[in-house]
Amino acid sequence: DAKTTQPNSMESNEEEPVHLPCNHSTISGTDYIHWYRQLPSQGPEYVIHGLTSNVNNRMASLAIAEDRKSSTLILHRATLRDAAVYYCILRDVGTYKYIFGTGTRLKVLA
Amino acid sequence: GAGVSQTPSNKVTEKGKYVELRCDPISGHTALYWYRQSLGQGPEFLIYFQGTGAADDSGLPNDRFFAVRPEGSVSTLKIQRTERGDSAVYLCASSPRGRGRFNEQFFGPGTRLTVL
Repeated sequence: DAKTTQPNSMESNEEEPVHLPCNHSTISGTDYIHWYRQLPSQGPEYVIHGLTSNVNNRMASLAIAEDRKSSTLILHRATLRDAAVYYCILRDVGTYKYIFGTGTRLKVLA
Repeated sequence: GAGVSQTPSNKVTEKGKYVELRCDPISGHTALYWYRQSLGQGPEFLIYFQGTGAADDSGLPNDRFFAVRPEGSVSTLKIQRTERGDSAVYLCASSPRGRGRFNEQFFGPGTRLTVL
């Protein structure tokens, strides 16, 4: 399974943008890039996913490098509720399971 | 609508005892997954059901762990002869289907198992 590398932790000020990086140098052509986040004492929840093009939804944006070896999750205005562990995961279109790493713990400062 | 629910939310047991953890998936979701999460780690895949059958149980750590989904809805994870190392949060997730271009998994809140 292709692996991802993320910083262990990051901090952001409230109402400022946050850029969470993810490296995935061994990504294959059929791997989708998924982001989930896990709020304290909850199960993970879906944030966004993409294949090649940048993606936007109501929660975040996903910027994918042209060579697909890295991606960045962008929270446009961090709130205290965004404090969570963010997981970047690669999943082949033909498979079903997620292989989670240790993720990035985001701390949002008031 | 109702999300994935798991019961109990907390379970404390003694070493050597048997435990059952229950998962109620979102209605209509054919795929169901169990994960285990140790402190400070990401969730670790245990088993995947498509309908009633276990399509992939490669993540079950040993034969003390077993899971069933007899009617293709509710699932039970069973752990025999529990050990202290089994202490973790057990997460259940469901999705409309297993494979495919995109298939968001919806996670429950988990069951925190503590083996004394």
